[in-house]
Amino acid sequence: SQQGEEDPQALSIQEGENATMNCSYKTSINNLQWYRQNSGRGLVHLILIRSNEREKHSGRLRVTLDTSKKSSSLLITASRAADTASYFCATSGGGADGLTFGKGTHLIIQP
Amino acid sequence: GAGVSQSPSNKVTEKGKDVELRCDPISGHTALYWYRQSLGQGLEFLIYFQGNSAPDKSGLPSDRFSAERTGGSVSTLTIQRTQQEDSAVYLCASSPPWTQETQYFGPGTRLLVL
Repeated sequence: SQQGEEDPQALSIQEGENATMNCSYKTSINNLQWYRQNSGRGLVHLILIRSNEREKHSGRLRVTLDTSKKSSSLLITASRAADTASYFCATSGGGADGLTFGKGTHLIIQP
Repeated sequence: GAGVSQSPSNKVTEKGKDVELRCDPISGHTALYWYRQSLGQGLEFLIYFQGNSAPDKSGLPSDRFSAERTGGSVSTLTIQRTQQEDSAVYLCASSPPWTQETQYFGPGTRLLVL
């Protein structure tokens, strides 16, 4: 079953602009992760934020987590054409269990 | 080192036939996961292995689906008597023993049931 809901479902911006995607989830979590998927194939792990963290940075990526609102956001700064992909949030209860994914945001960067 | 590999990349089969999908995890990764991605259902978790055992099989969509892992490495996902609704991309992922939070995904097998 889908736990996360991303919005928007699709986002189209100009190269160089910032892109923000949001994710909401329903149950308590141990951590929340963001993945990128190109062309409907394998997913690439981008960043993980734990339930006791509020913000995390990695290169041009900034992730926030608000456990009181059960929501997270992913910000990609200074977007590039290569950032065009689908982005998914995924939640984990901890340990080696399966991830619960949201429906994804399809991001298009216009050159 | 090599990433997670899956075979075949694409599979077209007729309704009612059995199919077998294979996953080779990253060497040394003890946890292995299967997911299904379809237009209607998004990304669904199916099953995971810790070593050769699968503690919870409740995520498998029906009793036509089975999975096994031998030698703590390669895993196969078998779908018997395929149905058109089984058409999807089947993704495999693995995790190392020292951090099982991050999963490394393979390129997937795109299954089309005619």
